[in-house]
Amino acid sequence: EAGVTQFPSHSVIEKGQTVTLRCDPISGHDNLYWYRRVMGKEIKFLLHFVKESKQDESGMPNNRFLAERTGGTYSTLKVQPAELEDSGVYFCASSQRRVNTGELFFGEGSRLTVL
Amino acid sequence: EDQVTQSPEALRLQEGESSSLNCSYTVSGLRGLFWYRQDPGKGPEFLFTLYSAGEEKEKERLKATLTKKESFLHITAPKPEDSATYLCAVQGGRNYGQNFVFGPGTRLSVLP
Repeated sequence: EAGVTQFPSHSVIEKGQTVTLRCDPISGHDNLYWYRRVMGKEIKFLLHFVKESKQDESGMPNNRFLAERTGGTYSTLKVQPAELEDSGVYFCASSQRRVNTGELFFGEGSRLTVL
Repeated sequence: EDQVTQSPEALRLQEGESSSLNCSYTVSGLRGLFWYRQDPGKGPEFLFTLYSAGEEKEKERLKATLTKKESFLHITAPKPEDSATYLCAVQGGRNYGQNFVFGPGTRLSVLP
C-alpha cells in the first residue's frame, strides 16, 4: 500500500514568488492534514480536510496560504506571495475517517526555502 | 492554550543503556497523548496513543506511560536503530477537531 506522498521534496524560491505543494494521501483516507515545521520550532497544525471540505483551518497563518482538496483526493497548498518566514518543512498527513486513535500517517515533507 | 514540552532536548546512550524521555503537557481536558518517532528526512511515524492517567502501552523496547501532567517514554536496552527524534503531541481542551499540538522533540542517539 502506498503511503502519503508529497511533491516537491524541496523547493527553493525567491521572496514574492509563488509555490504550490502537493499531497497525495493514502487511498481511502478521508482526513487530510497539513502541518509545518519552521526552523527551530515545533511542528504546527495548519488545516484539516474531511474529503473536500475544510474542517478546521485555524492554523493557517494568513491569507497568503491557500489549501484545496480537489474531489476529496489529493490536496495542494499554495503560498502566494512567499515570504522569508514561510521557509520550513511542510508535512501532509492522512487518516481514516472517524478514527481518532492519534494515528496519522505522515508524508516525508516538502522543504520550502524562500530566499 | 495547549502546550507540550519535552526533555531532554538531546540524549546520547550507549547500546543497552536504558533511559526515559519526558513529555510534560498543559491541556484542558486531555483527549489523547501521542508519541511519534521521526527519522532524519522523514515524516513522523506513529508509535502510541494514551488516553488516561495510569495507561501504559508497549512496543518492542519502548513503553509509554501517562500521568495527569506528563508522559514518559521508557527505552529498555536500546539499539542503534532506535536513534531518532521522539515527538510527543496532545489533543484536548477546546480543540475538538483533529489537530495535534506537538512538542519540540527529544533527539536520541544510541551508540554501538
